[in-house]
Amino acid sequence: DGGITQSPKYLFRKEGQNVTLSCEQNLNHDAMYWYRQDPGQGLRLIYYSQIVNDFQKGDIAEGYSVSREKKESFPLTVTSAQKNPTAFYLCASSIRIGSGANVLTFGAGSRLTVL
Amino acid sequence: AQKVTQAQTEISVVEKEDVTLDCVYETRDTTYYLFWYKQPPSGELVFLIRRNSFDEQNEISGRYSWNFQKSTSSFNFTITASQVVDSAVYFCALSGSYAGGTSYGKLTFGQGTILTVHP
Repeated sequence: DGGITQSPKYLFRKEGQNVTLSCEQNLNHDAMYWYRQDPGQGLRLIYYSQIVNDFQKGDIAEGYSVSREKKESFPLTVTSAQKNPTAFYLCASSIRIGSGANVLTFGAGSRLTVL
Repeated sequence: AQKVTQAQTEISVVEKEDVTLDCVYETRDTTYYLFWYKQPPSGELVFLIRRNSFDEQNEISGRYSWNFQKSTSSFNFTITASQVVDSAVYFCALSGSYAGGTSYGKLTFGQGTILTVHP
């Protein structure tokens, strides 16, 4: 079955450590996205990528970094510069970034807790 | 800038009741798309519906129906005869369709409404 796999599902980190969240898709989608979800704030866009080796900042990119070396993979690194990293992170993909009609397919998410 | 407001933070109903989730949006784009997603306890958002701003016809899919009113910038979602399996967080979202706009292809989400359906 095609879909998006995120790992790990739960992650604990100490302050000052960088962590990388994995996102893999086998849908042959060109576009991939990272969203952050906090209670009462909905989903906010961190980074997105339209094509391999290209990515753009979203609304809350500070303290995060991404790479897109393969079409299938879009890992997110939460750096120590991110002041409040505890959140639920969702990866998504779509056929492309096009007319706005593209439907996003989401992964099951990764919950990061900073101790 | 785009904005989506879901004023109802939490709604609690008893099974078989009808429930309406409100969504109000703001955009400067003349053409845009509206979406509803469902997030069950498993965490993965599931697509429910997409509506083009040119199409104001209401839509019904089984127990689900959507009322799009461009005049009031609203896109409300009604569940008829709710069931326990409908318990989830529901998100309304907006995406611009103008290729030169900053909201092109990117979704702006509302805060979400937590729906709890009791047996």
